[in-house]
Amino acid sequence: AQKVTQAQTEISVVEKEDVTLDCVYETRDTTYYLFWYKQPPSGELVFLIRRNSFDEQNEISGRYSWNFQKSTSSFNFTITASQVVDSAVYFCALSEANSGTYKYIFGTGTRLKVLA
Amino acid sequence: DAGVTQSPTHLIKTRGQQVTLRCSPISGHKSVSWYQQVLGQGPQFIFQYYEKEERGRGNFPDRFSARQFPNYSSELNVNALLLGDSALYLCASSLSNRRATYNEQFFGPGTRLTVL
Repeated sequence: AQKVTQAQTEISVVEKEDVTLDCVYETRDTTYYLFWYKQPPSGELVFLIRRNSFDEQNEISGRYSWNFQKSTSSFNFTITASQVVDSAVYFCALSEANSGTYKYIFGTGTRLKVLA
Repeated sequence: DAGVTQSPTHLIKTRGQQVTLRCSPISGHKSVSWYQQVLGQGPQFIFQYYEKEERGRGNFPDRFSARQFPNYSSELNVNALLLGDSALYLCASSLSNRRATYNEQFFGPGTRLTVL
């Protein structure tokens, strides 16, 4: 069964703090893709990153970094030196290659509040 | 190039009515997927269409239907609206959904449906 779990419902941090958003996934496929999206109040999903199951290299993009660990089925997202503009709901998603549709399976999201 | 566009932006209906939501994919994209996002939850997969054929269906009742037109635009129809159908409906397009090749989905801004 495919599933994405984001156990943190809401996180509040003070500006400039580092924050890590957790994502745990379940899949039986050997080829799959993992994503992080940001959803500001406007509602549009903003793509942040995609990771392939066969590439476990961690990635850094500016203040954002991602830690992909197949051994623990986790794909965590860290924001360094958070800013108020980072306040949003963040979704982790899974797409399986053998599903036939590459449909996205989303977690329930983590609401991040960055306080000035 | 324009991104995925959806219309209308907002919609208010009453229980029992029918609604049609529209989506125009990114130019050149042949696959369209629909997702429902209830407040406080992650998006849930409803349908995927590729070259006018239904390629995938999520766990939604038959009141939900969709179609794709020769120009690859798509409509989502919901009949006999229930209060629980109130949600943000997101459309996503991708180049194709060939099993051998992953193609990223790009999301539109969504249509916010309120059922009274």
